[in-house]
Amino acid sequence: DGGITQSPKYLFRKEGQNVTLSCEQNLNHDAMYWYRQDPGQGLRLIYYSQIVNDFQKGDIAEGYSVSREKKESFPLTVTSAQKNPTAFYLCASSMPVGGYTFGSGTRLTVV
Amino acid sequence: QQQVKQSPQSLIVQKGGISIINCAYENTAFDYFPWYQQFPGKGPALLIAIRPDVSEKKEGRFTISFNKSAKQFSLHIMDSQPGDSATYFCAASMGNSGYALNFGKGTSLLVTP
Repeated sequence: DGGITQSPKYLFRKEGQNVTLSCEQNLNHDAMYWYRQDPGQGLRLIYYSQIVNDFQKGDIAEGYSVSREKKESFPLTVTSAQKNPTAFYLCASSMPVGGYTFGSGTRLTVV
Repeated sequence: QQQVKQSPQSLIVQKGGISIINCAYENTAFDYFPWYQQFPGKGPALLIAIRPDVSEKKEGRFTISFNKSAKQFSLHIMDSQPGDSATYFCAASMGNSGYALNFGKGTSLLVTP
C-alpha cells in the first residue's frame, strides 16, 4: 500500500539535544511538508520541499532543519535552538495539484 | 498572520443534526480549498475539496459551500453521526506544489447520541 510513514511515533528529547524525525513516502509525490500541531493552534508550516535538494522555510522554521536528498525522504531535525519543541509533528506529501496525504505523526516531548 | 480563519472552535451537535463549520480567507489568489478530518492521535485525512469555479460540491453527507465574493467557504455535515466526532480543518492554497496549504485553527466536533 502507498502512503507516508513517520517514525518514531513517540520521541523524548532531553534539554539541549538534537533529534531527527523520519518521514518516508512511496507515493511518488514531488512535494513534501512538515507541520507542527499544538492544541488550539491548528497546523503551522515548518518547512516544505518541491523537489530533491531544494526546500523552503515555512512560518515557524527557527530551530528546525531539513534535508531532501531523496524524493522519498524528508527528515526533520529539531535542534537545541528550538526552545519549545513539545508538539505533534506531521509530515505530508502531495502531487503538483491536489490534496495532501499525511503521515500518522510523531509526538515529541521534552523531558 | 492567520491567512485562513475558522469558526467555531468547538461544536456540539445531536445525532441526525447538521454540523456547519465556516472559514474565511483574505488572499484572492487562493484557488484550492480542501477540508481535512482528524481523529485523535492520527494525521488529518482529506475529506472534500473545492475550486472557486463552482459554488457547491457534495460528497455523500458532506457539502462544501463556496462564496467567492465574500471570500468564505463552509462545510456542512448532514445527518451527523457520532463517528463524525473529530477535528476538522479548512485550508487554502494557490493550488500547485509551489505553495503550501494554509490551515485554519480547527474545529472540534462532538456528535452526541
